[in-house]
Amino acid sequence: SYVLTQPPSVSVAPGQTATITCGGLNIRSQSVHWFQQKSGQAPLLVVYDDTDRPSGIPERISGSSSGNTATLTISGVEAGDEADYYCQVWDSSGDQYVFGTGTKVTVL
Amino acid sequence: EVHLVESGGGLVQPGGSLRLSCAASGFTFSDYGLHWVRQAPGKGLEWVSTIGTVDDPYYSASVKGRFTISRENAKNSLFLQMDSLRAGDTAVYYCARGNLPWYFDVWGRGTLVTVSA
Repeated sequence: SYVLTQPPSVSVAPGQTATITCGGLNIRSQSVHWFQQKSGQAPLLVVYDDTDRPSGIPERISGSSSGNTATLTISGVEAGDEADYYCQVWDSSGDQYVFGTGTKVTVL
Repeated sequence: EVHLVESGGGLVQPGGSLRLSCAASGFTFSDYGLHWVRQAPGKGLEWVSTIGTVDDPYYSASVKGRFTISRENAKNSLFLQMDSLRAGDTAVYYCARGNLPWYFDVWGRGTLVTVSA
């Protein structure tokens, strides 16, 4: 089955840039989506279809994809960005949705 | 505003059954695919099941043959019948609305299922 690999953790100082990667075989050919999950809350969609943002998501959160890696970038990190972040794709060969392993972002 | 509210979670013994419900509001229910996603304590997100607009179900390998997803458009409701429950099914179960290309755009707050003797 399709596997999406994320780093377990990323630490970043306030105002700096957090970069979260999501590795998968030829992921550039997939539509990649990203979710933010704060402690005790339900996941929230922050990026869909590689680069698009739902209404209400700030422009400092952006997505990109190339080769075998998709990336979520959070610029000007704030304390409120501290959360777990998950990537997700639809694996058409297996008829299943696949989530990445998740990355915990800590704001120093 | 779009809302999804899960209910039906609780404590159940191994081998038992439970039926989860998800009440939807704020959108045309019959126009959307719907999903169940779960999260075991301290773990990541795991897709469980999907039902499309024409009642076509999909299941993860871990629940296939034990769980049954269904929907009742007239009542704006989604269901998950869970049978032969195991300790490994212990998780918060989220109801989510589907959108294209193949993602979850709205989530409920979840309902906790605990399988334990």
